[in-house]
Amino acid sequence: KAGVTQTPRYLIKTRGQQVTLSCSPISGHRSVSWYQQTPGQGLQFLFEYFSETQRNKGNFPGRFSGRQFSNSRSEMNVSTLELGDSALYLCASSSPVQYEQYFGPGTRLTVT
Amino acid sequence: GQQVMQIPQYQHVQEGEDFTTYCNSSTTLSNIQWYKQRPGGHPVFLIQLVKSGEVKKQKRLTFQFGEAKKNSSLHITATQTTDVGTYFCAGPDGGSNNDMRFGAGTRLTVKP
Repeated sequence: KAGVTQTPRYLIKTRGQQVTLSCSPISGHRSVSWYQQTPGQGLQFLFEYFSETQRNKGNFPGRFSGRQFSNSRSEMNVSTLELGDSALYLCASSSPVQYEQYFGPGTRLTVT
Repeated sequence: GQQVMQIPQYQHVQEGEDFTTYCNSSTTLSNIQWYKQRPGGHPVFLIQLVKSGEVKKQKRLTFQFGEAKKNSSLHITATQTTDVGTYFCAGPDGGSNNDMRFGAGTRLTVKP
């Protein structure tokens, strides 16, 4: 099976702009979770989608949003970017039967 | 929600020495997972422990789940340079969907 893919891999944006990141899960996986990883904060949970519904949300401001499509692909959007949003954004998919998460390579976002 | 605490934050060892990282929770965990992230890479699932007192081995890696299911450890015997990376534990947040919450990770460096 193909692994989790994320696009783009690298992105440079300016403060105030918005950005959309994409994640394609492993075929058959219906759950997609998003994480923000920074050197100081580790892996922070953003949200989780299952069958197009947001099931859980982490402690992030409303500027961070996401959605999931009927084919389980997911996008996350960050509006009004701030310098502190610079991070590696990881998505992970999992199946209902086995709870281990399979991570994509991540999108490294730099906000200048 | 549930959080898992992980120590130490950093560990530097000489090749051939042993290494241990610990994960602790204030409440009982239904399961715990361990992941490894190589420098520049993404987290990769290593193992899941479910039973009280469970011990699992993967070559030089030994994983333990405490009797009270509130703590876990990962022990590496005779470290090698290929063991370099950050080791994360993850436990369910206790919510209805049992989304996984990650510890801060232990960053292991190995001096040849």
